[in-house]
Amino acid sequence: DAGVTQSPTHLIKTRGQQVTLRCSPKSGHDTVSWYQQALGQGPQFIFQYYEEEERQRGNFPDRFSGHQFPNYSSELNVNALLLGDSALYLCASSSKGPGETQYFGPGTRLLVL
Amino acid sequence: AQSVTQPDIHITVSEGASLELRCNYSYGATPYLFWYVQSPGQGLQLLLKYFSGDTLVQGIKGFEAEFKRSQSSFNLRKPSVHWSDAAEYFCAVGEPNFGNEKLTFGTGTRLTIIP
Repeated sequence: DAGVTQSPTHLIKTRGQQVTLRCSPKSGHDTVSWYQQALGQGPQFIFQYYEEEERQRGNFPDRFSGHQFPNYSSELNVNALLLGDSALYLCASSSKGPGETQYFGPGTRLLVL
Repeated sequence: AQSVTQPDIHITVSEGASLELRCNYSYGATPYLFWYVQSPGQGLQLLLKYFSGDTLVQGIKGFEAEFKRSQSSFNLRKPSVHWSDAAEYFCAVGEPNFGNEKLTFGTGTRLTIIP
């Protein structure tokens, strides 16, 4: 049983560019959450998708957007990249409902130059 | 808003010694509480979680944690550490109203094991 997978593993972009990160949830999971982890910090919640809709959002600007597909996979898009967007982006999947464990993928490391 | 404090940025422990990592949270009610571990270049792995009931929670890899409401704490313990336990440890809280979808993490504690 494959766990949460993310692509690409690493990415280098320049300021002002746009980036798309991808996530495939663990089999049987229908909820996907995205987190940003800056160097030396804990992960910060960006948003969460369920039934192809954004259900919750953290304190991130509109430059951060996402999408969930019918097969529950998800994309994170970041427009107008800033140097401060350099971070490890983590995807987590779970089943809907309280008490369900979130399983994290290995992350995509984004470097903005 | 909920918050998590991990007061120890870096802890060094000898192999075979006991370990306690501290975590304090701020939340209006009893939150869902988690400990995750992150090895270099890896994602986060859940060690244990607390939702309700017994305040002493057993997890994987021989870890346990105790929820103390009066101290707003959820400290992680292990009686005897192994070199493979060297990693970054994160405490997190989840909002019960929304299940566990939205987690707030602490800044982490880096654990170094010396022979």
